Amino acid sequence: DAGVIQSPRHEVTEMGQEVTLRCKPISGHDYLFWYRQTMMRGLELLIYFNNNVPIDDSGMPEDRFSAKMPNASFSTLKIQPSEPRDSAVYFCASKGRGRLSGANVLTFGAGSRLTVL
Amino acid sequence: QQPVQSPQAVILREGEDAVINCSSSKALYSVHWYRQKHGEAPVFLMILLKGGEQKGHDKISASFNEKKQQSSLYLTASQLSYSGTYFCGTESNSGYALNFGKGTSLLVTP
Repeated sequence: DAGVIQSPRHEVTEMGQEVTLRCKPISGHDYLFWYRQTMMRGLELLIYFNNNVPIDDSGMPEDRFSAKMPNASFSTLKIQPSEPRDSAVYFCASKGRGRLSGANVLTFGAGSRLTVL
Repeated sequence: QQPVQSPQAVILREGEDAVINCSSSKALYSVHWYRQKHGEAPVFLMILLKGGEQKGHDKISASFNEKKQQSSLYLTASQLSYSGTYFCGTESNSGYALNFGKGTSLLVTP
């Protein structure tokens, strides 16, 4: 199992440009989450999906942010237009039954570090 | 709603013990603990479900008091590898998303 795969790992862009972050969850996991991490706010939940359907997007900062999950193995988080305050590490995580605990636990991807100049 | 963690930071010498606390203003279904090393993703440590069961593996254990809506993570005889930021994530109901605290930075020195 390759785990949760995110791309790109690093993105540097200029203010006003469109940014697309991608995520491939663990096969068989039916929940997918997008989190944003900054020093000031910690780990913030942006949006999550269950069986490809968005369940709660109340954490999405504003209309510049959008997320899609067209199928069970792929999700995108798009920022258009990007602003310097969007600079953060964006984590995708999927939830499924843990090998040791037997309970549903989150597995995070390696994250996408976004810098908006 | 974001749970509150304390302390914000702690420095230990190798072999010392530490306790990290997590409290919520909402009723909880479960509490999850994660550890994040610098520049890496958070990694799952353990989950505690309603019922107050204390869990642990190796020298790290945790408790969950659902009446007080609090959880504590206990690190005993700390090792250098324990250094990192510890996050508690709370779930108000099964199938909901985890809300994470701001984290507790732990540094273990030789």
